[in-house]
Amino acid sequence: EAGVAQSPRYKIIEKRQSVAFWCNPISGHATLYWYQQILGQGPKLLIQFQNNGVVDDSQLPKDRFSAERLKGVDSTLKIQPAKLEDSAVYLCASSLDPGVYEQYFGPGTRLTVT
Amino acid sequence: AQSVSQHNHHVILSEAASLELGCNYSYGGTVNLFWYVQYPGQHLQLLLKYFSGDPLVKGIKGFEAEFIKSKFSFNLRKPSVQWSDTAEYFCAVKSGGGADGLTFGKGTHLIIQP
Repeated sequence: EAGVAQSPRYKIIEKRQSVAFWCNPISGHATLYWYQQILGQGPKLLIQFQNNGVVDDSQLPKDRFSAERLKGVDSTLKIQPAKLEDSAVYLCASSLDPGVYEQYFGPGTRLTVT
Repeated sequence: AQSVSQHNHHVILSEAASLELGCNYSYGGTVNLFWYVQYPGQHLQLLLKYFSGDPLVKGIKGFEAEFIKSKFSFNLRKPSVQWSDTAEYFCAVKSGGGADGLTFGKGTHLIIQP
């Protein structure tokens, strides 16, 4: 079974630029999550999708972050414009069903904002 | 908002030593509890989880954790560690009902010396 795929693995941008991350969950997984992990901290949930609908985006900084999952499969997370404090690893996770509840994590995208 | 505290940020042990990593959470209602591990260069992966029933849960690679509701704790244990247990360990909690995103602790960096 293929795992959660993310790209790119690394990205360096200057502040005020925009960036997008892509995630392909495990086949058949209806629930998709984006987390932000700042160095020295645990992952923090940004947004949760159930199929193509948003379940929770209460911690997403909506003035600069956006995310979509148009066909209920792949998802993209965008930052526009980026700030220095957005430097972090962005993790995508998926689960088969909220009731089953085991999240499988991708390798992450390491973003450096200079 | 719920929070998770991991008491030890860095732990260094010798092989064959016993391990206990502390985890406390703040939420007073029904919770689901998890320990995730991230080996060097690898994805976050689930070690073990507690949903209900026996408060002593066993996970992969000889790890176990005990849920003590009165202490809001979910400590991770292993009787005899190996060099290959060197990794970052994260405790996480999901509160009952609502969205399924996890709240993570800051993690414990465990180094096992041969």
